[in-house]
Amino acid sequence: GAGVSQSPRYKVAKRGQDVALRCDPISGHVSLFWYQQALGQGPEFLTYFQNEAQLDKSGLPSDRFFAERPEGSVSTLKIQRTQQEDSAVYLCASSSARVGETQYFGPGTRLLVL
Amino acid sequence: QQPVQSPQAVILREGEDAVINCSSSKALYSVHWYRQKHGEAPVFLMILLKGGEQKGHEKISASFNEKKQQSSLYLTASQLSYSGTYFCGTRRGGATNKLIFGTGTLLAVQP
Repeated sequence: GAGVSQSPRYKVAKRGQDVALRCDPISGHVSLFWYQQALGQGPEFLTYFQNEAQLDKSGLPSDRFFAERPEGSVSTLKIQRTQQEDSAVYLCASSSARVGETQYFGPGTRLLVL
Repeated sequence: QQPVQSPQAVILREGEDAVINCSSSKALYSVHWYRQKHGEAPVFLMILLKGGEQKGHEKISASFNEKKQQSSLYLTASQLSYSGTYFCGTRRGGATNKLIFGTGTLLAVQP
């Protein structure tokens, strides 16, 4: 079946603009994760959903970052009033129901804030 | 809290072997290994669970030393396709499923 898909693949925003990044997980995967990856660094955890419940948002860097997954499938990561330091690749991953199961990553959205 | 990987970078000739290490200061439940090529998503290689055995995938295998909170990834008879950045992702157990990724190891395999 299809893997994790993300859109858009690339996004250029002017400082202060709001952006919305979309993630379509693998069908049937109940767990969904968002990570932020800066250039040359490993992915850093942002937030985690199990179905529609956001169980962990400890990695969100500020209240400008907001994520939702209203129907337990597609998720959207929203960044308000973007800043230059928000420039990074935003990766989405999904896994099946079992705790600790393998996380499969999407291709990411590369965000550049000018 | 970020796991430390060593070496930071390694250059190999095709057919040579390499070992990548991942060390954590925290007790771990599982270690997940990924390979990421430039501009692409991390690709899952294998997962090692606490109490589990050494695992293998083609010519890539890994081990997990629970007492030392260390994992090692072994690449034998390297191929050009092995080039990329390798990350270990660690999970501490409990209700959280998040992975804490290591500092990364850049591997370049040359003809």
